[in-house]
Amino acid sequence: NAGVTQTPKFQVLKTGQSMTLQCAQDMNHEYMSWYRQDPGMGLRLIHYSVGAGITDQGEVPNGYNVSRSTTEDFPLRLLSAAPSQTSVYFCASTGGLAGGYNEQFFGPGTRLTVL
Amino acid sequence: DAKTTQPNSMESNEEEPVHLPCNHSTISGTDYIHWYRQLPSQGPEYVIHGLTSNVNNRMASLAIAEDRKSSTLIRHRATLRDAAVYYCILRPNQGGKLIFGQGTELSVKP
Repeated sequence: NAGVTQTPKFQVLKTGQSMTLQCAQDMNHEYMSWYRQDPGMGLRLIHYSVGAGITDQGEVPNGYNVSRSTTEDFPLRLLSAAPSQTSVYFCASTGGLAGGYNEQFFGPGTRLTVL
Repeated sequence: DAKTTQPNSMESNEEEPVHLPCNHSTISGTDYIHWYRQLPSQGPEYVIHGLTSNVNNRMASLAIAEDRKSSTLIRHRATLRDAAVYYCILRPNQGGKLIFGQGTELSVKP
């Protein structure tokens, strides 16, 4: 299994540009989520999904959209990038309907800079 | 979401045991206690989790207080590679979002 994969690893955008961060997992996990981590800070939950067709907001959802058309993929879209969205983005997944008894697996992250 | 409280930083010496504390006084009966760590420039990785009983795995031990209002992550022999930020998180049993706090930054001295 490749686990949780994220593309791209690095990205530089100009203010106002849009882009999609890709996340995929091959573990047949129902639960997937996106976090951002600003320098020297902990992770903050952006959006999450408990299965295909179901998404919900986390702690900091503004400026981001998500969709979940398949179990495997959970893309994160920035519609109009702002410098405040400069951060490292992590995707994660959990099996077993995100039961508390299951561990969460994280991707390697995407480092995004918005100029 | 129930919150956890951890010290901002701790120091340890290489090859000595490390005890990382976590307070979670508002834990509910169905919350699991999870620990993750984040090595420099990497994504978080799972360490251990438990519900009521103490747990051991190849990475660490988790000691849970009888009233479940606190827990301690134990690394029996610290290595330099254990230098990381350690996060203690409560995860609800159903639809369990993982909400991170600030964590404890552990430094390990040779």
